[in-house]
Amino acid sequence: DAGVIQSPRHEVTEMGQEVTLRCKPISGHDYLFWYRQTMMRGLELLIYFNNNVPIDDSGMPEDRFSAKMPNASFSTLKIQPSEPRDSAVYFCASTKGNYEQYFGPGTRLTVT
Amino acid sequence: GENVEQHPSTLSVQEGDSAVIKCTYSDSASNYFPWYKQELGKGPQLIIDIRSNVGEKKDQRIAVTLNKTAKHFSLHITETQPEDSAVYFCAASPPSGGYQKVTFGTGTKLQVIP
Repeated sequence: DAGVIQSPRHEVTEMGQEVTLRCKPISGHDYLFWYRQTMMRGLELLIYFNNNVPIDDSGMPEDRFSAKMPNASFSTLKIQPSEPRDSAVYFCASTKGNYEQYFGPGTRLTVT
Repeated sequence: GENVEQHPSTLSVQEGDSAVIKCTYSDSASNYFPWYKQELGKGPQLIIDIRSNVGEKKDQRIAVTLNKTAKHFSLHITETQPEDSAVYFCAASPPSGGYQKVTFGTGTKLQVIP
């Protein structure tokens, strides 16, 4: 398996623009997670899905952030409008009901 | 919710020496404690985990210990090698039915000096 795939790997955008991050989980995995990593706050869970249904979005910082999982093989994290403080590395991870999470390579987002 | 504290934030050791990273957690109900290794430019990867029904687990040069009474757990790496240089994260997870939500520590940057 190719592992968790994320795109783009790097994104640079201007404040106010919409940003969409994409994730393809490992085939057969039924949980998908979105994390944000910054020096100040470490690794934060934003939202997770089970069987394409959002289970816990309590980590989503504000209404500018939204996530969808239209099918078992694809998820998006959208930020609209983006702000400089959203600059971070965003990780997607997936698992099949057990505890080990498999992380993707991350998307480094820079908002200027 | 769960709160995980991790120390030290940075650690430098000579190649061949041992490294120890310590974590404490707040929720006494937590019963799953994974450790992840993150290399530069990559996502975290699970290296070892322990469940609350055991006090220690080993895998080659890596071991994890758990003290449920004190609510702390530690990662021990023996005979360190340059390729062990990375950021290590501890995590804890309380049971909540279905999938257990994992809370990560703030990370330890380990540097192994050749």
